[in-house]
Amino acid sequence: EVQLVESGGGLVQPGRSLRLSCAASGFAFDDYAMHWVRQAPGKGLEWVSGISWNGGTIRYVDSVQGRFTISRDKAKNSLYLQMNSLRPEDTALYYCAKGGPTGDLQEDWFDAWGQGTLVTVSS
Amino acid sequence: DIQMTQSPSSLSASVGDRVTITCRASQSISKYLNWYQQKPGKAPKVLIYAASSLQSGVPSRFSGSGSGTDFTLTISGLQPEDFATYYCQQSYSSLVLTFGGGTKVEIK
Repeated sequence: EVQLVESGGGLVQPGRSLRLSCAASGFAFDDYAMHWVRQAPGKGLEWVSGISWNGGTIRYVDSVQGRFTISRDKAKNSLYLQMNSLRPEDTALYYCAKGGPTGDLQEDWFDAWGQGTLVTVSS
Repeated sequence: DIQMTQSPSSLSASVGDRVTITCRASQSISKYLNWYQQKPGKAPKVLIYAASSLQSGVPSRFSGSGSGTDFTLTISGLQPEDFATYYCQQSYSSLVLTFGGGTKVEIK
């Protein structure tokens, strides 16, 4: 059974940093792209960042480009999101999502999701 | 970036109704359109991928169609457990993956 368990969320002041983690199990982590998708309270879904199966392709939504860094560790079957210079508009539930069979970011879909970790940016 | 526009943003329907949700892309995305269902307090789950392929385990009352810029999700015979919010998402562009704004399906 595929399991994705996020951690690392919390309350942080504007301008500070936070690192999210996603522990993956139940599938061959190395074979799939992985993503972070967020949802602000009462709002819709927003894709934040994705990394291909081998880490060779990395993409970000414009609003986090230069502030967030996605990475993956195959030895630990884990996905990470380093978030710097946080802003109040980054407040959201952050989901880790597994990509589908292509292993890439394009022409693919999110076929498993974690339960999310809440990030609140406020002074 | 490719913009995804869903309509309607909400709808009321009864059990047994046929429901159609539309999603329009700001440019052609070929068949690379996916549909997700999200229930309150839960993570989304994929229903349809590549416009018309049914994800394993999803009931056959869900179907998807379309290509290019216009797509539809149809629920044939709405069930009580189908009341949720539905999102489309394009994966044509590898630069930015975008979701539609969502359609909330409520009980009439």
